[in-house]
Amino acid sequence: EPEVTQTPSHQVTQMGQEVILRCVPISNHLYFYWYRQILGQKVEFLVSFYNNEISEKSEIFDDQFSVERPDGSNFTLKIRSTKLEDSAMYFCASRDSGWNTGELFFGEGSRLTVL
Amino acid sequence: GESVGLHLPTLSVQEGDNSIINCAYSNSASDYFIWYKQESGKGPQFIIDIRSNMDKRQGQRVTVLLNKTVKHLSLQIAATQPGDSAVYFCAENREMDTDKLIFGTGTRLQVFP
Repeated sequence: EPEVTQTPSHQVTQMGQEVILRCVPISNHLYFYWYRQILGQKVEFLVSFYNNEISEKSEIFDDQFSVERPDGSNFTLKIRSTKLEDSAMYFCASRDSGWNTGELFFGEGSRLTVL
Repeated sequence: GESVGLHLPTLSVQEGDNSIINCAYSNSASDYFIWYKQESGKGPQFIIDIRSNMDKRQGQRVTVLLNKTVKHLSLQIAATQPGDSAVYFCAENREMDTDKLIFGTGTRLQVFP
């Protein structure tokens, strides 16, 4: 069964450092997302991406965050200068088309720990 | 404001019994609802969805009920199995306005023998 894959599974970084989280969405999917989940809390939307541009972002997704699809398979989330409160599990998700037909598939997440 | 919340943080059921997980939402404009299952260390996994023009939808061993009058959503799992143990989230979406899902806080389902 096709799946969304994420790397790394766990990253520990110092506050102020840049972090890049990588995702390989399902190959025929067109819509890509990042969500995050702080330990014990809700899953929160960060950003959606379609046709090589951000289609929607939340208030969490400030200037420290960016996303990129550098090639035909990867989708990355960059945090330029990490803060302690960025510690969370980050989930990448993808779907193939509009809501009428497209189930959202999540990866297994990248755990980010900021010290 | 927007909110999707769950009534119970933990639900314990005996194997073979039916489980009912509840969710309340506050935005009457929401028109698409999804239940996700999250096992420890994994990402959310789609279980079943329902649109606001329906009040019931059935899958394999699962049924989702939507009561728009009281803005309530429930997930029923028949003959609960140990493999059903996980955290269950409801999520909502307003399809015409936005692409994002708003998740609830989650209910942990524990199945004991």
